[in-house]
Amino acid sequence: EVQLLESGGGLVQPGGSLRLSCASSGFTFSSYAMSWVRQAPGKGLEWVSAISGSGDSTYYADSVKGRFTISRDNSKNTLYLQMNSLRAEDTAVYYCAKAGTTVVNLGWFDPWGQGTLVTVSS
Amino acid sequence: DIQMTQSPSSLSASVGDRVTITCQASQDISNYLNWYQQKPGKAPKLLIYDASNLETGVPSRFSGSGSGTDFTFTISSLQPEDIATYYCQQYDNLLTFGQGTKVEVK
Repeated sequence: EVQLLESGGGLVQPGGSLRLSCASSGFTFSSYAMSWVRQAPGKGLEWVSAISGSGDSTYYADSVKGRFTISRDNSKNTLYLQMNSLRAEDTAVYYCAKAGTTVVNLGWFDPWGQGTLVTVSS
Repeated sequence: DIQMTQSPSSLSASVGDRVTITCQASQDISNYLNWYQQKPGKAPKLLIYDASNLETGVPSRFSGSGSGTDFTFTISSLQPEDIATYYCQQYDNLLTFGQGTKVEVK
């Protein structure tokens, strides 16, 4: 069974940094692209970033480009999201998600983790 | 950037009703369109990929169609457990989600 478990969320002040992790199991981690998607309280889904299975290719939404960095450690089956220069509008539940196919990096994603809440506030 | 416009934003229907949600892309995205279901307090779940392919294990009352800029998601006979918000998502150019459609039972 595929399992994704996010951690690292919490309360951070504007301008601060936070690193999210997503521990994965139940599949060949290095074969699949992974993605981060966030959901602000009471709002819809917003794609944040994705990374290829090898880690060679990364993709970002314009809203986080230059502030967030996605990475992965295939030896530890773990996905990361380093978030710097955080803003109030970054407040959201952050989900990690596994690509649904090995063929493309950006396609459909399933399953998703349970999410971790990031709150940016003074 | 590709914009995805879903309609309606919410709907109320009776058990057994046919429910239809539309998603329009701001440009041609071929069939690079997926549909997700999100129940309250839960993570999204993939239902349909590449516009019309039913994900393994998903009930056959769910279906999708369309290509280019116009897409449709249908629940043929609404069940109480289908209460959720449904999102379309394109992947022709990066990833973009529609704003969601909240489905309620009358």
